[in-house]
Amino acid sequence: DGGITQSPKYLFRKEGQNVTLSCEQNLNHDAMYWYRQDPGQGLRLIYYSQIVNDFQKGDIAEGYSVSREKKESFPLTVTSAQKNPTAFYLCASSPSSGADTQYFGPGTRLTVL
Amino acid sequence: AQSVTQLDSHVSVSEGTPVLLRCNYSSSYSPSLFWYVQHPNKGLQLLLKYTSAATLVKGINGFEAEFKKSETSFHLTKPSAHMSDAAEYFCVVSVFKAAGNKLTFGGGTRVLVKP
Repeated sequence: DGGITQSPKYLFRKEGQNVTLSCEQNLNHDAMYWYRQDPGQGLRLIYYSQIVNDFQKGDIAEGYSVSREKKESFPLTVTSAQKNPTAFYLCASSPSSGADTQYFGPGTRLTVL
Repeated sequence: AQSVTQLDSHVSVSEGTPVLLRCNYSSSYSPSLFWYVQHPNKGLQLLLKYTSAATLVKGINGFEAEFKKSETSFHLTKPSAHMSDAAEYFCVVSVFKAAGNKLTFGGGTRVLVKP
């Protein structure tokens, strides 16, 4: 089956620890995206990547880092510098950065204790 | 700049009755418009999209939306609600820029379907 997978579904971490969220796609899409969702709000863009070995900051990149070493993978690290990391994180991909439709993974709910 | 306003944060309907979710947008360019649905603790699923073709767009699960440029609206409707329609719905506008397509999300409308 083609699609986007995110793991784990639920993640708990202690305050001050870095944590990495996984996002993998087998759709052969060039572009990938990370969003954060908070209760009662729409999604906000953290980082995006138009092509392998390239990525750009979104609207709320502070306290996050990413890498894009492979086309199918776009992991997100939530660092200890992120002031309020507890949220639902969604990964998405699109065939290219010029393609407007994005396809979403199932999400990871991160809780920092 | 672009923005999206979903006019109702919550909508409650009875099963079998029509559903209307309201969305207004602003954009400096000709936008693409989308509706996504999100069930609890799940990712977003594309319901339908408008990309300057027919102004009435049909989507999955019996949903449709009408693009009205004069009113800058893109309201989502369904003639008869089903219990499985209980979810959160997001109106989204997309504008292509040199750095790629940027999606701007509305705040979401949570739909409750009563039996």
